[in-house]
Amino acid sequence: AQKITQTQPGMFVQEKEAVTLDCTYDTSDQSYGLFWYKQPSSGEMIFLIYQGSYDEQNATEGRYSLNFQKARKSANLVISASQLGDSAMYFCAMSFFDRGSTLGRLYFGRGTQLTVWP
Amino acid sequence: EPEVTQTPSHQVTQMGQEVILRCVPISNHLYFYWYRQILGQKVEFLVSFYNNEISEKSEIFDDQFSVERPDGSNFTLKIRSTKLEDSAMYFCASSEVIRMDEQYFGPGTRLTVT
Repeated sequence: AQKITQTQPGMFVQEKEAVTLDCTYDTSDQSYGLFWYKQPSSGEMIFLIYQGSYDEQNATEGRYSLNFQKARKSANLVISASQLGDSAMYFCAMSFFDRGSTLGRLYFGRGTQLTVWP
Repeated sequence: EPEVTQTPSHQVTQMGQEVILRCVPISNHLYFYWYRQILGQKVEFLVSFYNNEISEKSEIFDDQFSVERPDGSNFTLKIRSTKLEDSAMYFCASSEVIRMDEQYFGPGTRLTVT
């Protein structure tokens, strides 16, 4: 079974500081994708960033970057220059490409609640 | 920017009643998914749908659940006889064919079973 672990139930960061949200995964597959989603208190799921298992460069999207360490099976999300609006639940997820009918299904971690304080 | 839409945003129903949750995926997407999130818990996969048939379903997706694409735009999830434990946020998502680098989620439908 695929497993995504987010060990930090809650994180606190001061506005304008950087924060790292941890995510580790467990799979024997070689081809997979890693995702981060943001879920504000309003409930919607907002896609933030994607990293493919064969991508050599760490993914970046604006203030978000993914610190991908394949050998350690970790895919930590780094948010630079935190803003008050970053306060939300953050989910790490993965999917598998070469799995026939399971293409695209996302497996989610339990999430980390990030609170940004002024 | 194209987006996935879901209706209703909140549905309250009595135990044993049938509910239909509706989704309009992004127009050029061909893979569709339903997920659910029980309050305070992680997001769980229910079912994926491609080419007018179910691609995969989880153990949660039992005979009480069904999905349908009744026309070219809507994608529905039906729960035949709701139970208290079906209370959750239900998310629809869609993605482009063979493109795995993003799955777009709708805003969700909060289902409350009383």
